[in-house]
Amino acid sequence: NAGVTQTPKFQVLKTGQSMTLQCAQDMNHNSMYWYRQDPGMGLRLIYYSASEGTTDKGEVPNGYNVSRLNKREFSLRLESAAPSQTSVYFCASLNPRTRPTSSTGELFFGEGSRLTVL
Amino acid sequence: AQTVTQSQPEMSVQEAETVTLSCTYDTSESDYYLFWYKQPPSRQMILVIRQEAYKQQNATENRFSVNFQKAAKSFSLKISDSQLGDAAMYFCAYSYVFGNEKLTFGTGTRLTIIP
Repeated sequence: NAGVTQTPKFQVLKTGQSMTLQCAQDMNHNSMYWYRQDPGMGLRLIYYSASEGTTDKGEVPNGYNVSRLNKREFSLRLESAAPSQTSVYFCASLNPRTRPTSSTGELFFGEGSRLTVL
Repeated sequence: AQTVTQSQPEMSVQEAETVTLSCTYDTSESDYYLFWYKQPPSRQMILVIRQEAYKQQNATENRFSVNFQKAAKSFSLKISDSQLGDAAMYFCAYSYVFGNEKLTFGTGTRLTIIP
């Protein structure tokens, strides 16, 4: 039972290079999220996808793009990496339900990807 | 917009003692969830406890319990009989109940357990 799987776990880039962080979940969840974690700032939402085929910006979307390839996969792309994007990135998934039976709201997280931009 | 505030960047406690981590939040909604997540050095985010706002009874999970004060918008985590394995970053988080349920996180409290 893999849950949420992120790749790669570590990556070093030079300024201006591009890369894609991959995320896949095997829990048949509808919603998927990308967060970044920086010291003293907690986790901040970059983008999310409420369902296959839809994506929306979160709190800090600048410099990133996302693709919801199918229900399982949600990728995060840095087109031209900058040192300010040095961070730990977390993918997460959740299965919301409509009222009156609301979901638990519990996010299931991947193990995180540490990205360093030089 | 919802905000979550953790005013204690660091806390420490003697092993076997009790510690309380503070969290306040701001929302105009009446129906929502609150969470405490633990992040040990392994970096994995682990759900510790969850509270539904419509429930007046405070949630408990073994040694972990919360003090949920809805009117004061306060949600503290009490860890009893602290163990070395409790050392971690603890994040408080808020989620609106209906919809895609994005979580808003606080900035975290680093808890150190003193043997």
